[in-house]
Amino acid sequence: ETGVTQSPTHLIKTRGQQVTLRCSSQSGHNTVSWYQQALGQGPQFIFQYYREEENGRGNFPPRFSGLQFPNYSSELNVNALELDDSALYLCASSLTSGVRGELFFGEGSRLTVL
Amino acid sequence: GENVEQHPSTLSVQEGDSAVIKCTYSDSASNYFPWYKQELGKGPQLIIDIRSNVGEKKDQRIAVTLNKTAKHFSLHITETQPEDSAVYFCAASSGDNNDMRFGAGTRLTVKP
Repeated sequence: ETGVTQSPTHLIKTRGQQVTLRCSSQSGHNTVSWYQQALGQGPQFIFQYYREEENGRGNFPPRFSGLQFPNYSSELNVNALELDDSALYLCASSLTSGVRGELFFGEGSRLTVL
Repeated sequence: GENVEQHPSTLSVQEGDSAVIKCTYSDSASNYFPWYKQELGKGPQLIIDIRSNVGEKKDQRIAVTLNKTAKHFSLHITETQPEDSAVYFCAASSGDNNDMRFGAGTRLTVKP
């Protein structure tokens, strides 16, 4: 148990729709990162939020956006869904102060785009 | 940006044997190298990590080695057990976690 929870666990959308995925970070962690994991691949960094501000972004288009709230929860929003957006979306919380490094992952939200 | 390559993509060993997974990275500024284990239906979980000021680190049956000159690092699992069966990912980072890059993963199967 990492203390990081994600919802929903599975969902199906159609091309062009919008989706919101949610994450509840481990208590006390002020940083949340989102990753996309395609089948058979390693996680790909989407973006990170630190104290409710975006703090780094990977090679993903602007239709991928996020929010982080003061209560350790966060959201990943994807607009204009494409078939290639089908993947497991992972959030990971971490502490940026003190010892840097360990990411605590949730179990992911599996998105299927038809 | 950083590029992490991992091999083999699949590895099958007999229970009790050792398993070795290797990764290379491209960014000489990378200084943090974690290894994650992902079991079916779960998110990745950190099993061991190493920083660039250390050449080797060991934790019971798991060890990681780092060669900064050659830009490669390896995971060694000794006395493998069936519960070690999972997908293992290496990763590299040069700063905060906002630039963590993962390898494509190795599916390890330990046969009883």
